Amino acid sequence: QKEVEQNSGPLSVPEGAIASLNCTYSDRVSQSFFWYRQYSGKSPELIMSIYSNGDKEDGRFTAQLNKASQYVSLLIRDSQPSDSATYLCAVSHTGNQFYFGTGTSLTVIP
Amino acid sequence: GAVVSQHPSRVICKSGTSVKIECRSLDFQATTMFWYRQFPKKSLMLMATSNEGSKATYEQGVEKDKFLINHASLTLSTLTVTSAHPEDSSFYICSAETGVYNSPLHFGNGTRLTVT
Repeated sequence: QKEVEQNSGPLSVPEGAIASLNCTYSDRVSQSFFWYRQYSGKSPELIMSIYSNGDKEDGRFTAQLNKASQYVSLLIRDSQPSDSATYLCAVSHTGNQFYFGTGTSLTVIP
Repeated sequence: GAVVSQHPSRVICKSGTSVKIECRSLDFQATTMFWYRQFPKKSLMLMATSNEGSKATYEQGVEKDKFLINHASLTLSTLTVTSAHPEDSSFYICSAETGVYNSPLHFGNGTRLTVT
């Protein structure tokens, strides 16, 4: 079983809609959860960190964490074409080991 | 804060030559740095974990004699691709963690290696 699993997509949403990206992880002792965005040909950039159960909002982005169900999600409100990218979910246990999902490709259609 | 600088951004070399890629943490000390490789439209693949002052830990299937990693200071790690071949052409990305508990990984901008 992979440490972190994501639906590879592609996920397509119309401009202005909510994009919902999901991630599950296998290790219950995981403590830190991150979402990265990666544009084609570029390196990943951090967009959200979440550590506690519940929701965390930052602009149009909301990260949701449910440790009991071992899933993390990312909601993107008012999706824009510039949000089209691959979104990587990452999980850390101890702070010096990071596990990445394979990424979900998102396309926002104008 | 937490900026990671990676150079060069692009390099083209001939088959059989060696290429060195540098990864620097500009505003923090990175005890641990990570090297990834990514083929087109594929996911990140961890190659090795680099710890300052000690030997790197390589993932299964990664040849340590081909991909030499040196982490001589708390702000610099280098990856040398020795005797490069066309199949080594890929996108190499370094990342570093600040050592602060629960902090994320910060990525360099990556190096596009093309071996002709």
